[in-house]
Amino acid sequence: ETGVTQTPRHLVMGMTNKKSLKCEQHLGHNAMYWYKQSAKKPLELMFVYNFKEQTENNSVPSRFSPECPNSSHLFLHLHTLQPEDSALYLCASSQSLLDTEAFFGQGTRLTVV
Amino acid sequence: AQSVTQPDIHITVSEGASLELRCNYSYGATPYLFWYVQSPGQGLQLLLKYFSGDTLVQGIKGFEAEFKRSQSSFNLRKPSVHWSDAAEYFCAVFRNFGNEKLTFGTGTRLTIIP
Repeated sequence: ETGVTQTPRHLVMGMTNKKSLKCEQHLGHNAMYWYKQSAKKPLELMFVYNFKEQTENNSVPSRFSPECPNSSHLFLHLHTLQPEDSALYLCASSQSLLDTEAFFGQGTRLTVV
Repeated sequence: AQSVTQPDIHITVSEGASLELRCNYSYGATPYLFWYVQSPGQGLQLLLKYFSGDTLVQGIKGFEAEFKRSQSSFNLRKPSVHWSDAAEYFCAVFRNFGNEKLTFGTGTRLTIIP
């Protein structure tokens, strides 16, 4: 148990659906991250939030929309996804952007049909 | 380009045998180095990290890693693996200046056979 909780653990959605992934941490961390993990590819950093402000968007398509209402919660809103978006989506947090140690959630396994 | 390379996609070892997983990085300066483990259906857990100092670092679960500057390597080792070590292992680097971020390798899947 790392202190970072993601829900749901598994999600199957159609290409016309709208769904949201949730990440929650009560570690007192100020930086939160979304990563995408696809088979046979390195983890891809998608978004970075620091003190609720988005500091990085690594050319992620607009069908992925992050939201960080407070330092403890991070959402990833999904709409009109493509089958190639199927992957494990991992949330992580760290004390600060400069803190090298990140704590990861268990991930949400997303399947787009 | 800056990168982290894990040359072995899949390794199979017998329970009780020794293990070495390879990791190479291509940064001009020494970055911070990490090994993470991901058990099936789980997130990533930090095994160990190297910032500076002693080049042999000890981690959790009996793992250790050695930083070799001349080879730009940070290989993970364990003297005797257990069936519970079956997982995917990721090497990662953190640049400590400029565009700070964790960059991961593609991972090495470890299978343990009886």
